[in-house]
Amino acid sequence: AQKITQTQPGMFVQEKEAVTLDCTYDTSDQSYGLFWYKQPSSGEMIFLIYQGSYDEQNATEGRYSLNFQKARKSANLVISASQLGDSAMYFCAMREGGSYIPTFGRGTSLIVHP
Amino acid sequence: ETGVTQTPRHLVMGMTNKKSLKCEQHLGHNAMYWYKQSAKKPLELMFVYSLEERVENNSVPSRFSPECPNSSHLFLHLHTLQPEDSALYLCASSHSGTGESYEQYFGPGTRLTVT
Repeated sequence: AQKITQTQPGMFVQEKEAVTLDCTYDTSDQSYGLFWYKQPSSGEMIFLIYQGSYDEQNATEGRYSLNFQKARKSANLVISASQLGDSAMYFCAMREGGSYIPTFGRGTSLIVHP
Repeated sequence: ETGVTQTPRHLVMGMTNKKSLKCEQHLGHNAMYWYKQSAKKPLELMFVYSLEERVENNSVPSRFSPECPNSSHLFLHLHTLQPEDSALYLCASSHSGTGESYEQYFGPGTRLTVT
């Protein structure tokens, strides 16, 4: 079974609207961490946000927030007030308790329309 | 220099050439990674070096050879590559503990074309 599943290969959003990118994960560990990265067309992966499995509050970083639903094993990324510069690939990743090495999903392509 | 740097940014090589990719991190991290990213394929972890261990993906062909002389530098030596090895090669670094977020920081990548 895949550890990280991103079911949306491509998403489109209008500028200034909010968008949710889906991520579900599979682990039997109690301690784990979830990450989101952005990869613009230039290629460099950029860390956006982190959620620890014991964190009770959803993580937020500026316009990014992580909608963490532990029982459903989902960690969706919400981008508020989309900007043209948000157009990129977005990757969800998980680090399980016993390892520092993350597992990545296949990514979701986001295109922001003006 | 700050963050993670990679050289060269672009590389075109023939199947009989030998070349090396270089990665350097200035973040005080103790783990470094090589990833391969091909079009329409998942990100593939190739090698990891940390203070404690070297981890390698057993599916990586022996024509890729990593070298990590210290915690700040990582190389990927390439020889007798195949056209299917054309891809974006990303280097990353992080702390190697498991108690904190320890996110990865990536370099800009080397776009490799094998002719």
